[in-house]
Amino acid sequence: SQTIHQWPATLVQPVGSPLSLECTVEGTSNPNLYWYRQAAGRGLQLLFYSVGIGQISSEVPQNLSASRPQDRQFILSSKKLLLSDSGFYLCAWSFGQGADSPLHFGNGTRLTVT
Amino acid sequence: GQQLNQSPQSMFIQEGEDVSMNCTSSSIFNTWLWYKQDPGEGPVLLIALYKAGELTSNGRLTAQFGITRKDSFLNISASIPSDVGIYFCAGFHNSGYALNFGKGTSLLVTP
Repeated sequence: SQTIHQWPATLVQPVGSPLSLECTVEGTSNPNLYWYRQAAGRGLQLLFYSVGIGQISSEVPQNLSASRPQDRQFILSSKKLLLSDSGFYLCAWSFGQGADSPLHFGNGTRLTVT
Repeated sequence: GQQLNQSPQSMFIQEGEDVSMNCTSSSIFNTWLWYKQDPGEGPVLLIALYKAGELTSNGRLTAQFGITRKDSFLNISASIPSDVGIYFCAGFHNSGYALNFGKGTSLLVTP
């Protein structure tokens, strides 16, 4: 069966510091990978998705970037965090064979920028 | 992305009651999904719907894909305290990879 791992679970970072959140998937090959942000416990906003190694689609302009260095690894980064980057970040995967495949989420990273 | 309107925003019910929530869109969706999120965790898929008119059950949960393809509902029968959480509808507007989410229905169940 497939599993998704996301870390760290919580993170407190000062404004202006860099960020790196990591997500890995096990039990499947060539998954679609996603980063979502959830503010104030509601409303999931799609940040990035990837359908293959090195392929990144950005949904909203922002202070963040994403990379996919390996098939089942997805990284969310920032060079300099802003206060507005605080939130709950969720990684997700879906089967890569076709579109409209349900997403399966990790347990999230709670990021607080101080 | 396409906006999904989910209602009600919150519900406060007693154990044993039935619950109904729905999701609408001004655009046609190809797939409707329902998720539940417990506090501090990621959303978990409850039900997936792929055809207009489809009615699917998962235990005490029942969901339907509207005939017009612009709406879906989720019913929970005989609610229990562990049903507490936020329920999200989600859908694919065009066949693609970006999933649009509603803003969630927060459910509280009292014993």
